[in-house]
Amino acid sequence: DTGVSQDPRHKITKRGQNVTFRCDPISEHNRLYWYRQTLGQGPEFLTYFQNEAQLEKSRLLSDRFSAERPKGSFSTLEIQRTEQGDSAMYLCASGHTEAFFGQGTRLTVV
Amino acid sequence: GQNIDQPTEMTATEGAIVQINCTYQTSGFNGLFWYQQHAGEAPTFLSYNVLDGLEEKGRFSSFLSRSKGYSYLLLKELQMKDSASYLCAVRDDQGGSYIPTFGRGTSLIVHP
Repeated sequence: DTGVSQDPRHKITKRGQNVTFRCDPISEHNRLYWYRQTLGQGPEFLTYFQNEAQLEKSRLLSDRFSAERPKGSFSTLEIQRTEQGDSAMYLCASGHTEAFFGQGTRLTVV
Repeated sequence: GQNIDQPTEMTATEGAIVQINCTYQTSGFNGLFWYQQHAGEAPTFLSYNVLDGLEEKGRFSSFLSRSKGYSYLLLKELQMKDSASYLCAVRDDQGGSYIPTFGRGTSLIVHP
């Protein structure tokens, strides 16, 4: 399977805990995006990488969120001190022109 | 940033044709995308328009008018499996980031 892969698919965590998600993009894609989606809404942009450089970060992203893409390959998104409002689907996408999405990580904060 | 508007919900009959509209406002247009998203699944790419006109791909076609800030997705010979959310996304070139911004999506319900 050469598509975008995300892990885990589902995560349930207690409020206040830290969580980390992983995204493996399509290998030849240098652009990588993280989005967040809640029910009934379109994907909301979080952050963007060109190779290993994080070039753009949404103003909506609080300091509790951090993302990395070491060596321009896989990427991780960490949320510290999770809150119930962080419950959402976290989508990773990679591409050149169009973005190809992974299956997402569904986070539930209880 | 962009302001993207599309209808919240549409219904149509199996076998019919439906047109889903999208209007947008952006200062540095660099392409418009349509995605399909079934419930609980990730968005899948349908089409990309950067120049004015109609792009046809099987039962799906997408139209763009840059001067009007307008696009539509046309679905022909509707099938039950076409029931999904259809997302319009606009990319602009501000700062050279080329980040697609998504609308809220149009939920299409196809009934027999």
